Amino acid sequence: DARVTQTPRHKVTEMGQEVTMRCQPILGHNTVFWYRQTMMQGLELLAYFRNRAPLDDSGMPKDRFSAEMPDATLATLKIQPSEPRDSAVYFCASGFRNEQFFGPGTRLTVL
Amino acid sequence: AQSVTQLDSQVPVFEEAPVELRCNYSSSVSVYLFWYVQYPNQGLQLLLKYLSGSTLVKGINGFEAEFNKSQTSFHLRKPSVHISDTAEYFCAVSTISNFGNEKLTFGTGTRLTIIP
Repeated sequence: DARVTQTPRHKVTEMGQEVTMRCQPILGHNTVFWYRQTMMQGLELLAYFRNRAPLDDSGMPKDRFSAEMPDATLATLKIQPSEPRDSAVYFCASGFRNEQFFGPGTRLTVL
Repeated sequence: AQSVTQLDSQVPVFEEAPVELRCNYSSSVSVYLFWYVQYPNQGLQLLLKYLSGSTLVKGINGFEAEFNKSQTSFHLRKPSVHISDTAEYFCAVSTISNFGNEKLTFGTGTRLTIIP
């Protein structure tokens, strides 16, 4: 049963620290998405890639967030420096034939 | 740009009763439509999708939805709910492209609570 995996599942850090979240998409899926879920904003797209090329990162605060796909099996989302307002659940999803498969999420708390 | 409106933030329903969760969308171009379910502390799972063809779409767990282009709606229904259906439900749209899998725009979600 192929699944999207995300690590870590939970992260608590202090303001100003660097945070890196990792995602392993389902093998063979060519599109990878990063979404953020908060109570106030709901689900919003941060960035996505097709065939490892970035297509849209307009949802990310450029000064502190960065997203990369160093290879087809790994996508990363980095926040540096982190701020309390970044506290949220970050979901990775991989896409195949107009269906997106979501990972379990990384719950980030920035103190 | 697209937008999705889920008018009901919370819907309480008695067990074995029918339920309808409403979704309306706005878009200047044709879109694909989706319903996702999120159980507590989990990721989102696809319930069903409308890409083309029959406007009545059947999904998992006994859910179905009907696409109404004139009313720009995609309401989700189930004839008889169970306790296990307690979850948050999200309606979403994406634009149509030759590449497939464009980004999703989500509604704010509807929390379905089943009352025993």
